[in-house]
Amino acid sequence: AQSVTQLDSQVPVFEEAPVELRCNYSSSVSVYLFWYVQYPNQGLQLLLKYLSGSTLVESINGFEAEFNKSQTSFHLRKPSVHISDTAEYFCAVSDLNRDDKIIFGKGTRLHILP
Amino acid sequence: DGGITQSPKYLFRKEGQNVTLSCEQNLNHDAMYWYRQDPGQGLRLIYYSQIVNDFQKGDIAEGYSVSREKKESFPLTVTSAQKNPTAFYLCASSQGRYNEQFFGPGTRLTVL
Repeated sequence: AQSVTQLDSQVPVFEEAPVELRCNYSSSVSVYLFWYVQYPNQGLQLLLKYLSGSTLVESINGFEAEFNKSQTSFHLRKPSVHISDTAEYFCAVSDLNRDDKIIFGKGTRLHILP
Repeated sequence: DGGITQSPKYLFRKEGQNVTLSCEQNLNHDAMYWYRQDPGQGLRLIYYSQIVNDFQKGDIAEGYSVSREKKESFPLTVTSAQKNPTAFYLCASSQGRYNEQFFGPGTRLTVL
């Protein structure tokens, strides 16, 4: 069965510093990959997604993620974080062989330090 | 505006009482989902429905029940059999093969 691992439950980083949130999934079969962001007491919002084509995908607020099939990873990066990026980030995988649901990682809480 | 609504935002109930959480979507999506979120545990799937009048158990269905009588509505009932119902509940919907899910704002249930 497909599984998603987010290696870090919490990541502290200083404002304007770069950050990487790691995500690995278990299966190398064809997948769709997503990153969601959740601000306190809110639902999840889609940040970016990989469906096909270029392995580097970008969001409108400066985040990017790269699909690496050989390493089964989809790490999220931002070159310079802002206090407004404080949130929890979830990686998710949709397996093309199982089209009824997607699998979420346990989340990484990003703390921005002033 | 298209989207998913969940009501109420906060809900308080006494132990032993059943409670129903509302989820409505106007995105015309076929599939709908209920998740439970606890600190440090991510999202856990309770029930999902791919089509009207059909639904399947997720990973933690015990103590919960759902119905899907209309495409736009997927209410979740937390029964008295659920041993630890205090949590944040999220509803989502999706359409098509990519399974990109759209989430509601959530309901925080507190059982006293």
